[in-house]
Amino acid sequence: GQQLNQSPQSMFIQEGEDVSMNCTSSSIFNTWLWYKQDPGEGPVLLIALYKAGELTSNGRLTAQFGITRKDSFLNISASIPSDVGIYFCAGPPYFGNEKLTFGTGTRLTIIP
Amino acid sequence: NAGVTQTPKFQVLKTGQSMTLQCAQDMNHEYMSWYRQDPGMGLRLIHYSVGAGITDQGEVPNGYNVSRSTTEDFPLRLLSAAPSQTSVYFCASSYGEGNEKLFFGSGTQLSVL
Repeated sequence: GQQLNQSPQSMFIQEGEDVSMNCTSSSIFNTWLWYKQDPGEGPVLLIALYKAGELTSNGRLTAQFGITRKDSFLNISASIPSDVGIYFCAGPPYFGNEKLTFGTGTRLTIIP
Repeated sequence: NAGVTQTPKFQVLKTGQSMTLQCAQDMNHEYMSWYRQDPGMGLRLIHYSVGAGITDQGEVPNGYNVSRSTTEDFPLRLLSAAPSQTSVYFCASSYGEGNEKLFFGSGTQLSVL
């Protein structure tokens, strides 16, 4: 199946800092999705992107659909304790009939 | 609203045992799926169903069976548990295949000794 690589794998930040993470693929994606998984829970959809170059915000979160259609970025501004969790990118590859593919995840930890 | 309900929350099995992970949704979703989550590997699709009576294999189907006799329920069966099946399992549903807004259950943490 398709591979989505997320970077960084983990982040340790202080409350109030901004966060940036990205997701890259070897093939084109038609849609980019960002999910968040709280500890002990299932992932929840945060943002969906549908067009190359699109920039979409959801509160303190901003995501971008890369112009090459092979990458996406997620930024979190002024982090707070409830931002802790694992962030996954996901998408259906453009070609073929492949199902939704998830990235390897970025684990965010906030240092008190 | 209950959403997607998974049971049990935790399970420990011995190698060779069989068991069924339960999943039920009350949103009248046509599409249901099972994922496993392993460290550093993200979420991998095991099996999915686009409606009652229809199931298909995902990326990692070996060792697992599914059935979909009703719209609401989509159980996952481990036929003969192996240590490689130690993982966290998530059931997810959506309005239809291709609808990216998946609703996930809270997961089942399975250990196979």
